[in-house]
Amino acid sequence: KAGVTQTPRYLIKTRGQQVTLSCSPISGHRSVSWYQQTPGQGLQFLFEYFSETQRNKGNFPGRFSGRQFSNSRSEMNVSTLELGDSALYLCASTGEGSPQETQYFGPGTRLLVL
Amino acid sequence: AQSVTQLGSHVSVSEGALVLLRCNYSSSVPPYLFWYVQYPNQGLQLLLKYTSAATLVKGINGFEAEFKKSETSFHLTKPSAHMSDAAEYFCAAANTGGFKTIFGAGTRLFVKA
Repeated sequence: KAGVTQTPRYLIKTRGQQVTLSCSPISGHRSVSWYQQTPGQGLQFLFEYFSETQRNKGNFPGRFSGRQFSNSRSEMNVSTLELGDSALYLCASTGEGSPQETQYFGPGTRLLVL
Repeated sequence: AQSVTQLGSHVSVSEGALVLLRCNYSSSVPPYLFWYVQYPNQGLQLLLKYTSAATLVKGINGFEAEFKKSETSFHLTKPSAHMSDAAEYFCAAANTGGFKTIFGAGTRLFVKA
């Protein structure tokens, strides 16, 4: 079974631009979560989607948004990029998104904002 | 609010020595607990998880962790470190009723030859 895939793997943008990242979960998984990982803040939860609905959201500004499609693929969008948005963005999928499930992580998208 | 604390951002051991990575959680209700490992330029991979079935949990690559409710701890151990264990390790907690997992800050493990 194929793992979680994320595209692109690397991205360079300039301040003020917007970016869209994509995540394809493991086949059959319906829950996708997004995390931002930085050296200073560690792993921070962005949001979780299940069956095309956002079920939970972390403490990030409205510039960060996401969506999920009927095939469970998910995208996250960051508008008006700031230097501090430079990070590794990880997505993880689970079957139902229940708390005892193992999360399967993709390799991440490394975003550099100049 | 629930939180996860990992003591020591960096731990260094010699090859063959005991590995001990510490994790404490704060939650009035014992959560589900996880240890994940991250190798450079990769995502996180599950080592083991506690879901209340047994307090001593065995994982992959010879790692194990013991859930101690009285100490609100879930420390990760491995009897003998191997060079390939060098990576960053994350402890995480999740509760029923929520759909997000809280991660600790991570502990980078260095293994000296």
